[in-house]
Amino acid sequence: KQEVTQIPAALSVPEGENLVLNCSFTDSAIYNLQWFRQDPGKGLTSLLLIQSSQREQTSGRLNASLDKSSGRSTLYIAASQPGDSATYLCAVWGGATNKLIFGTGTLLAVQP
Amino acid sequence: NAGVTQTPKFQVLKTGQSMTLQCAQDMNHNSMYWYRQDPGMGLRLIYYSASEGTTDKGEVPNGYNVSRLNKREFSLRLESAAPSQTSVYFCASTPVGNYGYTFGSGTRLTVV
Repeated sequence: KQEVTQIPAALSVPEGENLVLNCSFTDSAIYNLQWFRQDPGKGLTSLLLIQSSQREQTSGRLNASLDKSSGRSTLYIAASQPGDSATYLCAVWGGATNKLIFGTGTLLAVQP
Repeated sequence: NAGVTQTPKFQVLKTGQSMTLQCAQDMNHNSMYWYRQDPGMGLRLIYYSASEGTTDKGEVPNGYNVSRLNKREFSLRLESAAPSQTSVYFCASTPVGNYGYTFGSGTRLTVV
């Protein structure tokens, strides 16, 4: 059974700091991995999608990497801002389940 | 650019009442999904529809039924609501080949 773990569960940083969020998964036979952002009381906004054949994807200050063989992904946020405060979720699709399986998220607080 | 639209946004039910959560997408996506999100449990798949005319159970299907009315619409029905079904419900969709999930903004359901 695919399990997705995100570390840390919560993170507080001062504004301007670069930071890394981690995601690990137990079944490396995935088709893709997606990072989402969720603001309190809101839905999920897709940030980045990495296909299994890719190593990384970039969008603005965000960079996501994928190491499928080791079952790991990282989301790098450069020059963090208070507006980046949210819960960040990673999810993998594929493997035995062929469904999107979510991690429990990292709650990020960027202090002004 | 509506994306995935869910109605209603909020609902309070009494135990034993029934209701249907509506979801519609305008992106011509093939697959649609219903998730529930609970504190400490993350997002869990209730039911999904890989294509029009098909539905399958996810992780937590008990107490729910679904209907894929057409390619655009996928509804979730609670026949006899229970307090354990208090949750936030999200609908999502993906195109053929799953180039990323798009989520609706959610329905916050309370069963008293």
